[in-house]
Amino acid sequence: TQLLEQSPQFLSIQEGENLTVYCNSSSVFSSLQWYRQEPGEGPVLLVTVVTGGEVKKLKRLTFQFGDARKDSSLHITAAQPGDTGLYLCAGLSGNTPLVFGKGTRLSVIA
Amino acid sequence: EPEVTQTPSHQVTQMGQEVILRCVPISNHLYFYWYRQILGQKVEFLVSFYNNEISEKSEIFDDQFSVERPDGSNFTLKIRSTKLEDSAMYFCASSEAQRRGKLFFGSGTQLSVL
Repeated sequence: TQLLEQSPQFLSIQEGENLTVYCNSSSVFSSLQWYRQEPGEGPVLLVTVVTGGEVKKLKRLTFQFGDARKDSSLHITAAQPGDTGLYLCAGLSGNTPLVFGKGTRLSVIA
Repeated sequence: EPEVTQTPSHQVTQMGQEVILRCVPISNHLYFYWYRQILGQKVEFLVSFYNNEISEKSEIFDDQFSVERPDGSNFTLKIRSTKLEDSAMYFCASSEAQRRGKLFFGSGTQLSVL
């Protein structure tokens, strides 16, 4: 069974601070996806990373896929209250369906 | 922007009753999925559906569960005899391509089994 461990589980920061959340596994994934989920809504895809070492930027969000394709990180610069939500990573490998981590619940306080 | 719609948003049922959760995937998508999220737990894969048949299913998707695409637009998940542990948020998703494609999720149906 492939597991994705996300850390921290909870994070509460002040507006303007930077933060990094992590997604780790002992398994190799062909791709990793990051989703954001808000209360009462389904997950919304932010980015897909495919190549080991790949870095993708989405405005203030920077996503990195580890060289070995076992881990990923999401860095947010100058966090804003609108960034508040549950950040989920999900991995694809071989013929297995998308596997999700438990998520990091981020709260950005104004 | 096209979206996946799910109905109802909330469903309360008695243990042992049958429930049908409904989804309308995005119209040009070919792959359909059901996931569930028990409160405080991770999003778990239940089943994927392509070309009018199940393509993959998880251990959770036992004989009590079934999926159907009764017409050209709806995609349903039926739980034949609900158990307390079936209480969860059920998400439908669809994608153009099964593997690297982007999954679009609906807003979910919160199922409460009493």
